[in-house]
Amino acid sequence: GAGVSQSPSNKVTEKGKDVELRCDPISGHTALYWYRQSLGQGLEFLIYFQGNSAPDKSGLPSDRFSAERTGGSVSTLTIQRTQQEDSAVYLCASSSGQGDYEQYFGPGTRLTVT
Amino acid sequence: GQNIDQPTEMTATEGAIVQINCTYQTSGFNGLFWYQQHAGEAPTFLSYNVLDGLEEKGRFSSFLSRSKGYSYLLLKELQMKDSASYLCAVRFYNQGGKLIFGQGTELSVKP
Repeated sequence: GAGVSQSPSNKVTEKGKDVELRCDPISGHTALYWYRQSLGQGLEFLIYFQGNSAPDKSGLPSDRFSAERTGGSVSTLTIQRTQQEDSAVYLCASSSGQGDYEQYFGPGTRLTVT
Repeated sequence: GQNIDQPTEMTATEGAIVQINCTYQTSGFNGLFWYQQHAGEAPTFLSYNVLDGLEEKGRFSSFLSRSKGYSYLLLKELQMKDSASYLCAVRFYNQGGKLIFGQGTELSVKP
């Protein structure tokens, strides 16, 4: 079946602009995660949605970052007033639940802020 | 903190065996994952350990010692296509399903 998809695959934006990144998880997966990967670095947790529970936003680096998940499926990560340090690959993952379930990653969105 | 430590890079020869180590803070441990990530691609799941011991899956094996806060990924009969970054990630209690990742180990397999 279809895996996790993300759009756009690449995004170049000017400093100060807002951007929206989209994630379509695997159908039926209740958990959805956003991570950020800067060049040569490991993945940094941003935010996590599990079913109808309140999201875990503990990884969001500033109040310029927000995310929502509509209808328990598609998620959008929004970065307002982008800064150059926001340049990274933004990865979305989904899993079947909260237990010992592997996370399936999407291909990521490469964001470049100029 | 919840530092996940692994070597930055390793080099090995085609056909050989390589062991990639990962250490983590033991408090609240609730499972350890290994992922493989080729350049420019998404991470793909390799293994999951929550109990002590060795999990074998083909050429790849993963070991866990919970008391020592230590895991390793063992790759046998290395192939050129195994050149990739290997990510160690840990889940902790009271943090839901999110994973804390190490910085990754860049493995280069030489002929």
